[in-house]
Amino acid sequence: EAQVTQNPRYLITVTGKKLTVTCSQNMNHEYMSWYRQDPGLGLRQIYYSMNVEVTDKGDVPEGYKVSRKEKRNFPLILESPSPNQTSLYFCASSRFGGGPGANVLTFGAGSRLTVL
Amino acid sequence: DQQVKQNSPSLSVQEGRISILNCDYTNSMFDYFLWYKKYPAEGPTFLISISSIKDKNEDGRFTVFLNKSAKHLSLHIVPSQPGDSAVYFCAASGLSGNTPLVFGKGTRLSVIA
Repeated sequence: EAQVTQNPRYLITVTGKKLTVTCSQNMNHEYMSWYRQDPGLGLRQIYYSMNVEVTDKGDVPEGYKVSRKEKRNFPLILESPSPNQTSLYFCASSRFGGGPGANVLTFGAGSRLTVL
Repeated sequence: DQQVKQNSPSLSVQEGRISILNCDYTNSMFDYFLWYKKYPAEGPTFLISISSIKDKNEDGRFTVFLNKSAKHLSLHIVPSQPGDSAVYFCAASGLSGNTPLVFGKGTRLSVIA
């Protein structure tokens, strides 16, 4: 089954304790992205990657890091989490390059993160 | 500066009636538009899209209309069903899908039986 898998689905942590949210896709997609969803703010892009070793900042990159060493994986790293990073996080992927069906993102099920 | 705007945070419709969700955009370079649907505790799922070369695209009960001169698109759901209750996100991209999607803030649709 074509899917985007992210883990953990739920996490409660404390300020300053580094954490990583993993994301993996099995569709051989070039493009991957992380979003956070907050009440009243919709989906905001954190980072995206158009291919291996190519990453770019989205709208709200502060406090986050990403890496794209393999095509299928795109982990989100919070080096020193703070309470304002409490949110619902989504990883997504798509093929790229234009044409029908390109840029149709497939989303993971979400990771709810609470930073105390 | 919000490039994709969904000005109605919520909408309530009776079962069987038409639901109309609206979306406005400001970037004239956008030429590809999508609607996503999101249920609680799930990721958004793709619903329907439209390219700027068209002004209408239909898929079953769902129809998206695009008015390029007004920089406006709308999603019509006819007839609305209780299972349609969800948050709907409008998204846009440029260069025929070759740039990252920009999302609106979403509209919560409640279909009342």
